[in-house]
Amino acid sequence: AQTVTQSQPEMSVQEAETVTLSCTYDTSESDYYLFWYKQPPSRQMILVIRQEAYKQQNATENRFSVNFQKAAKSFSLKISDSQLGDAAMYFCALIQGAQKLVFGQGTRLTINP
Amino acid sequence: KAGVTQTPRYLIKTRGQQVTLSCSPISGHRSVSWYQQTPGQGLQFLFEYFSETQRNKGNFPGRFSGRQFSNSRSEMNVSTLELGDSALYLCASSSGQMAPPGYTFGSGTRLTVV
Repeated sequence: AQTVTQSQPEMSVQEAETVTLSCTYDTSESDYYLFWYKQPPSRQMILVIRQEAYKQQNATENRFSVNFQKAAKSFSLKISDSQLGDAAMYFCALIQGAQKLVFGQGTRLTINP
Repeated sequence: KAGVTQTPRYLIKTRGQQVTLSCSPISGHRSVSWYQQTPGQGLQFLFEYFSETQRNKGNFPGRFSGRQFSNSRSEMNVSTLELGDSALYLCASSSGQMAPPGYTFGSGTRLTVV
């Protein structure tokens, strides 16, 4: 069975600084995808970044980047130059084969002005 | 391009009643997945429909059911509601392609069972 673990229920960071959210996962497959989703108070899950397991290069989307360590089954999200609009719940998720996303418990990120 | 539309946004029902939620996917998307989000259990997969067929099912009791229409719109139904069914129900739309998978979520339906 696949599992996703986010060990940080809450994180806070000063505006303009950098923060890293942690995620570990477990799967027996070698081919899978990993995601970070953001859920603001509007409730809609918004895709932040996606990583294909077969790609060694870490994915980057503007201020968002990941550190993907396949052997360690670790997938952390780094947010640079944090902005007030980054405040939200962040979910790490995994999918392989069966077309269902498996989510972690989430990390609530607060941005302090 | 219109996003994923879920209706209604909020719903209050009484124990024992049944409820139907609706999800209209992005135009051209043939897959709709449903997720239940609660503070205690987090986000859990309910089921996925692709071209009117249930392709995958999560570990929920038979009171939870769904269907998909020929225009890809999907409904989920919960019968004999229990207090524990109170949750945010999210649907996700995708093309159904495996590589790479891309999901767009709706804003959810907040169901409260009293």
